Amino acid sequence: GAVVSQHPSWVICKSGTSVKIECRSLDFQATTMFWYRQFPKQSLMLMATSNEGSKATYEQGVEKDKFLINHASLTLSTLTVTSAHPEDSSFYICSARDRRQGIHEQFFGPGTRLTVL
Amino acid sequence: LAKTTQPISMDSYEGQEVNITCSHNNIATNDYITWYQQFPSQGPRFIIQGYKTKVTNEVASLFIPADRKSSTLSLPRVSLSDTAVYYCLVGDGPSNTGKLIFGQGTTLQVKP
Repeated sequence: GAVVSQHPSWVICKSGTSVKIECRSLDFQATTMFWYRQFPKQSLMLMATSNEGSKATYEQGVEKDKFLINHASLTLSTLTVTSAHPEDSSFYICSARDRRQGIHEQFFGPGTRLTVL
Repeated sequence: LAKTTQPISMDSYEGQEVNITCSHNNIATNDYITWYQQFPSQGPRFIIQGYKTKVTNEVASLFIPADRKSSTLSLPRVSLSDTAVYYCLVGDGPSNTGKLIFGQGTTLQVKP
Protein backbone atom coordinates (compact mmCIF):
# COMPACT_ATOMS: atom_id res chain seq x y z
CA GLY A 1 0.00 0.00 0.00
CA ALA A 2 0.86 3.66 -0.19
CA VAL A 3 3.14 5.19 2.42
CA VAL A 4 2.76 8.32 4.47
CA SER A 5 5.70 9.56 6.50
CA GLN A 6 5.98 12.07 9.29
CA HIS A 7 8.95 14.00 10.55
CA PRO A 8 10.05 14.17 13.24
CA SER A 9 8.82 11.03 14.96
CA TRP A 10 9.22 12.74 18.31
CA VAL A 11 10.15 16.19 19.50
CA ILE A 12 10.70 17.84 22.85
CA CYS A 13 10.52 21.61 23.08
CA LYS A 14 10.35 24.37 25.63
CA SER A 15 7.15 26.17 26.42
CA GLY A 16 6.63 29.18 24.17
CA THR A 17 8.52 27.85 21.18
CA SER A 18 7.06 26.72 17.86
CA VAL A 19 7.32 23.24 16.40
CA LYS A 20 6.82 22.16 12.80
CA ILE A 21 5.68 18.66 11.88
CA GLU A 22 5.88 17.42 8.30
CA CYS A 23 3.57 14.91 6.63
CA ARG A 24 4.57 13.46 3.27
CA SER A 25 2.86 11.07 0.89
CA LEU A 26 5.80 9.12 -0.50
CA ASP A 27 4.43 7.39 -3.57
CA PHE A 28 1.19 9.12 -4.40
CA GLN A 29 -0.22 12.59 -4.67
CA ALA A 30 -2.64 13.77 -2.04
CA THR A 31 -4.76 16.81 -2.71
CA THR A 32 -6.22 16.40 0.75
CA MET A 33 -4.49 15.50 3.98
CA PHE A 34 -5.87 15.39 7.48
CA TRP A 35 -4.36 16.18 10.87
CA TYR A 36 -5.37 14.40 14.07
CA ARG A 37 -4.37 14.67 17.68
CA GLN A 38 -4.48 11.80 20.13
CA PHE A 39 -4.11 12.01 23.90
CA PRO A 40 -3.14 8.94 25.94
CA LYS A 41 -5.82 6.27 26.11
CA GLN A 42 -8.10 8.32 23.89
CA SER A 43 -9.27 8.14 20.30
CA LEU A 44 -8.02 10.24 17.44
CA MET A 45 -9.51 13.69 17.22
CA LEU A 46 -9.67 15.36 13.82
CA MET A 47 -8.10 18.79 13.95
CA ALA A 48 -8.21 20.02 10.39
CA THR A 49 -8.42 19.19 6.72
CA SER A 50 -5.43 20.33 4.70
CA ASN A 51 -6.14 21.22 1.08
CA GLU A 52 -3.37 21.66 -1.45
CA GLY A 53 -3.15 25.24 -2.62
CA SER A 54 -5.83 26.58 -0.32
CA LYS A 55 -6.53 27.30 3.30
CA ALA A 56 -7.05 24.50 5.75
CA THR A 57 -10.45 23.78 7.21
CA TYR A 58 -10.39 23.53 10.98
CA GLU A 59 -12.72 21.55 13.19
CA GLN A 60 -14.76 23.35 15.79
CA GLY A 61 -12.71 24.23 18.84
CA VAL A 62 -9.33 24.02 17.11
CA GLU A 63 -7.46 27.32 17.12
CA LYS A 64 -6.30 28.03 13.59
CA ASP A 65 -3.81 30.65 14.74
CA LYS A 66 -2.18 28.18 17.05
CA PHE A 67 -2.10 25.22 14.72
CA LEU A 68 -0.89 26.53 11.38
CA ILE A 69 -1.32 24.20 8.46
CA ASN A 70 0.35 24.61 5.09
CA HIS A 71 -0.20 22.28 2.14
CA ALA A 72 2.26 23.67 -0.37
CA SER A 73 2.52 20.68 -2.67
CA LEU A 74 0.65 17.50 -3.55
CA THR A 75 2.94 15.44 -1.35
CA LEU A 76 3.61 17.65 1.67
CA SER A 77 1.54 19.18 4.43
CA THR A 78 3.00 20.80 7.52
CA LEU A 79 1.51 21.47 10.94
CA THR A 80 3.13 24.16 13.04
CA VAL A 81 2.26 24.33 16.70
CA THR A 82 2.92 27.95 17.62
CA SER A 83 3.80 29.09 21.13
CA ALA A 84 3.52 25.56 22.39
CA HIS A 85 2.47 24.90 25.97
CA PRO A 86 2.50 21.70 28.04
CA GLU A 87 -1.18 21.09 27.28
CA ASP A 88 -0.25 20.81 23.59
CA SER A 89 1.78 17.71 24.39
CA SER A 90 0.16 14.95 22.41
CA PHE A 91 0.52 12.44 19.59
CA TYR A 92 -0.07 14.13 16.24
CA ILE A 93 -1.04 11.96 13.27
CA CYS A 94 -1.63 12.87 9.65
CA SER A 95 -3.42 10.95 6.93
CA ALA A 96 -3.73 11.20 3.20
CA ARG A 97 -6.28 9.83 0.81
CA ASP A 98 -5.04 7.81 -2.14
CA ARG A 99 -7.61 8.04 -4.85
CA ARG A 100 -5.62 5.80 -7.17
CA GLN A 101 -6.57 2.67 -5.28
CA GLY A 102 -10.22 2.75 -6.27
CA ILE A 103 -11.43 1.97 -2.78
CA HIS A 104 -10.45 5.41 -1.55
CA GLU A 105 -8.35 4.13 1.26
CA GLN A 106 -6.74 6.54 3.65
CA PHE A 107 -3.20 6.01 4.77
CA PHE A 108 -1.98 7.25 8.09
CA GLY A 109 1.45 8.42 9.06
CA PRO A 110 3.34 6.86 11.97
CA GLY A 111 2.63 9.84 14.20
CA THR A 112 4.74 12.49 15.94
CA ARG A 113 5.06 12.56 19.71
CA LEU A 114 5.26 16.17 20.92
CA THR A 115 6.35 16.89 24.47
CA VAL A 116 6.33 20.49 25.66
CA LEU A 117 8.29 21.17 28.82
CA LEU B 1 -20.96 12.23 9.38
CA ALA B 2 -22.55 9.12 10.83
CA LYS B 3 -21.74 8.25 14.41
CA THR B 4 -20.50 4.78 15.20
CA THR B 5 -20.91 2.68 18.33
CA GLN B 6 -18.68 -0.26 19.21
CA PRO B 7 -17.94 -2.24 22.36
CA ILE B 8 -15.21 -0.52 24.36
CA SER B 9 -13.28 -3.72 24.96
CA MET B 10 -13.18 -7.43 24.12
CA ASP B 11 -11.08 -10.34 25.30
CA SER B 12 -10.16 -13.40 23.31
CA TYR B 13 -7.69 -16.26 23.24
CA GLU B 14 -5.14 -17.17 20.64
CA GLY B 15 -6.55 -19.18 17.77
CA GLN B 16 -10.12 -18.03 18.26
CA GLU B 17 -12.22 -16.11 15.78
CA VAL B 18 -13.11 -12.62 16.93
CA ASN B 19 -16.13 -10.69 15.73
CA ILE B 20 -16.45 -6.99 16.50
CA THR B 21 -19.76 -5.39 15.68
CA CYS B 22 -20.25 -1.71 15.00
CA SER B 23 -23.56 0.12 14.72
CA HIS B 24 -24.00 3.11 12.44
CA ASN B 25 -27.71 3.81 12.29
CA ASN B 26 -27.35 7.11 10.43
CA ILE B 27 -25.11 5.90 7.63
CA ALA B 28 -25.63 7.83 4.41
CA THR B 29 -26.20 6.31 0.99
CA ASN B 30 -22.73 7.22 -0.27
CA ASP B 31 -20.87 6.22 2.90
CA TYR B 32 -18.43 3.35 2.94
CA ILE B 33 -17.53 1.40 6.09
CA THR B 34 -13.86 1.14 6.95
CA TRP B 35 -12.03 -0.58 9.79
CA TYR B 36 -8.63 0.42 11.10
CA GLN B 37 -6.24 -1.16 13.60
CA GLN B 38 -4.02 0.88 15.88
CA PHE B 39 -1.13 -0.20 18.06
CA PRO B 40 0.17 2.07 20.84
CA SER B 41 2.19 5.04 19.58
CA GLN B 42 1.53 4.19 15.94
CA GLY B 43 -0.79 5.57 13.28
CA PRO B 44 -3.92 3.58 12.40
CA ARG B 45 -3.52 0.85 9.81
CA PHE B 46 -6.19 0.06 7.22
CA ILE B 47 -7.77 -3.37 7.63
CA ILE B 48 -10.75 -3.56 5.33
CA GLN B 49 -13.41 -1.49 3.62
CA GLY B 50 -16.83 -2.30 2.24
CA TYR B 51 -20.14 -0.90 1.09
CA LYS B 52 -22.54 -3.82 1.36
CA THR B 53 -22.70 -7.62 1.78
CA LYS B 54 -19.40 -9.34 2.48
CA VAL B 55 -15.84 -8.35 1.80
CA THR B 56 -12.84 -10.56 2.52
CA ASN B 57 -9.13 -9.96 2.29
CA GLU B 58 -6.05 -11.73 3.56
CA VAL B 59 -6.47 -10.53 7.14
CA ALA B 60 -10.18 -10.09 7.81
CA SER B 61 -13.76 -10.29 6.64
CA LEU B 62 -16.37 -7.59 6.82
CA PHE B 63 -20.05 -8.44 6.99
CA ILE B 64 -22.61 -5.75 6.20
CA PRO B 65 -26.35 -6.49 6.36
CA ALA B 66 -28.75 -5.18 3.77
CA ASP B 67 -29.83 -2.17 5.82
CA ARG B 68 -26.15 -1.21 6.36
CA LYS B 69 -26.90 0.05 9.85
CA SER B 70 -24.28 -2.18 11.35
CA SER B 71 -21.18 -4.07 10.32
CA THR B 72 -19.10 -6.87 11.77
CA LEU B 73 -15.35 -7.20 11.49
CA SER B 74 -14.27 -10.83 11.68
CA LEU B 75 -10.69 -11.73 12.53
CA PRO B 76 -9.96 -15.43 12.01
CA ARG B 77 -7.65 -17.24 14.41
CA VAL B 78 -6.27 -14.26 16.30
CA SER B 79 -2.78 -14.20 17.73
CA LEU B 80 -1.20 -12.18 20.51
CA SER B 81 -0.04 -9.65 17.93
CA ASP B 82 -3.65 -8.80 17.12
CA THR B 83 -3.97 -7.09 20.50
CA ALA B 84 -4.79 -3.53 19.47
CA VAL B 85 -7.54 -0.95 19.21
CA TYR B 86 -9.95 -1.44 16.32
CA TYR B 87 -11.89 1.49 14.89
CA CYS B 88 -15.00 1.36 12.74
CA LEU B 89 -15.58 4.44 10.59
CA VAL B 90 -18.14 5.45 8.02
CA GLY B 91 -18.01 8.15 5.41
CA ASP B 92 -14.95 7.54 3.26
CA GLY B 93 -16.80 6.90 0.04
CA PRO B 94 -15.70 7.88 -3.47
CA SER B 95 -17.73 11.06 -3.52
CA ASN B 96 -17.00 12.02 0.07
CA THR B 97 -14.41 14.44 1.32
CA GLY B 98 -12.45 11.73 3.07
CA LYS B 99 -13.09 13.28 6.44
CA LEU B 100 -13.20 10.61 9.13
CA ILE B 101 -14.49 10.97 12.67
CA PHE B 102 -13.08 8.37 15.03
CA GLY B 103 -15.21 6.90 17.78
CA GLN B 104 -13.90 5.27 20.93
CA GLY B 105 -12.80 2.10 19.20
CA THR B 106 -12.69 -1.42 20.59
CA THR B 107 -9.66 -2.52 22.57
CA LEU B 108 -9.06 -6.17 21.78
CA GLN B 109 -6.93 -8.11 24.23
CA VAL B 110 -5.76 -11.49 22.98
CA LYS B 111 -4.60 -13.85 25.72
CA PRO B 112 -2.36 -16.89 25.38
